Amino acid sequence: DAKTTQPNSMESNEEEPVHLPCNHSTISGTDYIHWYRQLPSQGPEYVIHGLTSNVNNRMASLAIAEDRKSSTLILHRATLRDAAVYYCILPRSNDYKLSFGAGTTVTVRA
Amino acid sequence: GAGVSQSPSNKVTEKGKDVELRCDPISGHTALYWYRQSLGQGLEFLIYFQGNSAPDKSGLPSDRFSAERTGGSVSTLTIQRTQQEDSAVYLCASSLVGQGAFEKLFFGSGTQLSVL
Repeated sequence: DAKTTQPNSMESNEEEPVHLPCNHSTISGTDYIHWYRQLPSQGPEYVIHGLTSNVNNRMASLAIAEDRKSSTLILHRATLRDAAVYYCILPRSNDYKLSFGAGTTVTVRA
Repeated sequence: GAGVSQSPSNKVTEKGKDVELRCDPISGHTALYWYRQSLGQGLEFLIYFQGNSAPDKSGLPSDRFSAERTGGSVSTLTIQRTQQEDSAVYLCASSLVGQGAFEKLFFGSGTQLSVL
């Protein structure tokens, strides 16, 4: 997988938006950008993925820079349940060995 | 069930004993993955099964580790002669066909293995 860089941690207040950045300057043209999150004592769960265009789903939005060298996961209104480690990964086509780094630990204050 | 099921959820064993960890993937998913996560670390790939193809065992850390998948469904990860460094959370995931760039992986809750 192409290398990604994420901040170690971020804090947010409940009901406020959270913007989680991910840098991936070595991304290739066919690399998809995937986000997973891992709640305490759980396995990771899929959040969202995209290629070039911004994407929205019920969990979050993904904003992809025009040059695709960075992206931002947006949680529109953080809840306590959103406290988790968020992973940004770039799996290659037919690459099943997903590489999860340390991710960003998100803390949500009530 | 609707999701990936792993058992046991916790396993405490003594150094030198063998352990078996079980994974029941989502029905119809042809790809199955095992990962390991040490405390505070990211996920480490262990092994991948896809349909009837030979598994990719390149991530297994030593020959004490083995895995099988019977009938294209349930998988068992076996660790022989466990060592303290084997202590970790072992995570299983499944996906529909195993094409990383396009697919969602569905993970189980993991087995917390503690080797005393």
